Amino acid sequence: GAVVSQHPSRVICKSGTSVKIECRSLDFQATTMFWYRQFPKQSLMLMATSNEGSKATYEQGVEKDKFLINHASLTLSTLTVTSAHPEDSSFYICSARIRRAGEYQETQYFGPGTRLLVL
Amino acid sequence: KQEVTQIPAALSVPEGENLVLNCSFTDSAIYNLQWFRQDPGKGLTSLLLIQSSQREQTSGRLNASLDKSSGRSTLYIAASQPGDSATYLCAVAPLGQFYFGTGTSLTVIP
Repeated sequence: GAVVSQHPSRVICKSGTSVKIECRSLDFQATTMFWYRQFPKQSLMLMATSNEGSKATYEQGVEKDKFLINHASLTLSTLTVTSAHPEDSSFYICSARIRRAGEYQETQYFGPGTRLLVL
Repeated sequence: KQEVTQIPAALSVPEGENLVLNCSFTDSAIYNLQWFRQDPGKGLTSLLLIQSSQREQTSGRLNASLDKSSGRSTLYIAASQPGDSATYLCAVAPLGQFYFGTGTSLTVIP
């Protein structure tokens, strides 16, 4: 099956620093990637939709200047948490929507997640 | 906006029991519904995907049903095992992103 990787899997940083998380589709092209955030004991909440070659679409309440998303290629999207604060500590998960020639396929594959801890 | 609710929030059963997890959603205009498993501190593992035109999907001891008109889905787990202990999430996709439920935390007692 299709594989999505995330790097790093875990990161600890000091308050005020920026952290970049990568999401890669390893064996398929993904025109669209999604970024989710999960706080402890809560479900996943969509943060933004990332389309290759265009600006990301952010959900209401998500600061686009704080969570910078870049989808530079069909296999890579990055999420940068700028000036991270302790309240940004969370589990960040990406998903990639598979693209098949000639059809619109809704299947998404999820990455393993990145746990961010801001001290 | 789509809202997804899962009941119960937590469930504890002895090994070998059959069990049902429930998922309800407010907007029936969905493209598909997917059940996931999440182990503590881990990512998501896809269990079953039901397209909007389907009524159920089966994989091994798992069976998921979908009733779009009533906005409900169930995940049936037969002959539960301790290894089934995890949080189970259902998610619906109108088109594009998934809306996730709150999850059911399952503990299967040996």
